[in-house]
Amino acid sequence: AQTVTQSQPEMSVQEAETVTLSCTYDTSESNYYLFWYKQPPSRQMILVIRQEAYKQQNATENRFSVNFQKAAKSFSLKISDSQLGDTAMYFCASDGGSQGNLIFGKGTKLSVKP
Amino acid sequence: GAGVSQSPRYKVAKRGQDVALRCDPISGHVSLFWYQQALGQGPEFLTYFQNEAQLDKSGLPSDRFFAERPEGSVSTLKIQRTQQEDSAVYLCASSLLVASGKLEQFFGPGTRLTVL
Repeated sequence: AQTVTQSQPEMSVQEAETVTLSCTYDTSESNYYLFWYKQPPSRQMILVIRQEAYKQQNATENRFSVNFQKAAKSFSLKISDSQLGDTAMYFCASDGGSQGNLIFGKGTKLSVKP
Repeated sequence: GAGVSQSPRYKVAKRGQDVALRCDPISGHVSLFWYQQALGQGPEFLTYFQNEAQLDKSGLPSDRFFAERPEGSVSTLKIQRTQQEDSAVYLCASSLLVASGKLEQFFGPGTRLTVL
């Protein structure tokens, strides 16, 4: 079974600084996608960034970027210039389900402090 | 445009009661997923629909859980004889075509079910 592991239950960062959230995964698939989702308090989950395993270049979306290490099965999220609005639960996920359903880690609670 | 909506947003049930949770996906979206998110955990897959066909229900925890999408749009997740361990947030997600990592899954706000 595919698994996604997030080893940091909680993290905090000062506003304007950079923070990295860790994620490791296990899969036997040859092609797959990895995702970071953000779930703000009492609000719905939204996609932050997505990486296709075949692409060697790390994905970037404005202040968000990933460090994808395929051999190590590692997929970390870097948030630059952290903003108060980045405060949320962050979930790492893969599309490893048999029907394309997402498999999520347990999440990292990120607090951005002013 | 409207996103995925779910109702009710909060539901309190007494143990043993039946509940029905509704999901309105984005119009035209073929794929629909239900996930269960226990407190402090990541979402876990329950079931998947492609249009009106339920193609995967392997994640449903017991035969008390039942889902349907009779016309290929709105979906209902029904839980019979609720138990305290059913307390969780139930998330619905939809995507435009057949599920693939290429296509973003759009999530609803969830229904928080509390079973007393």
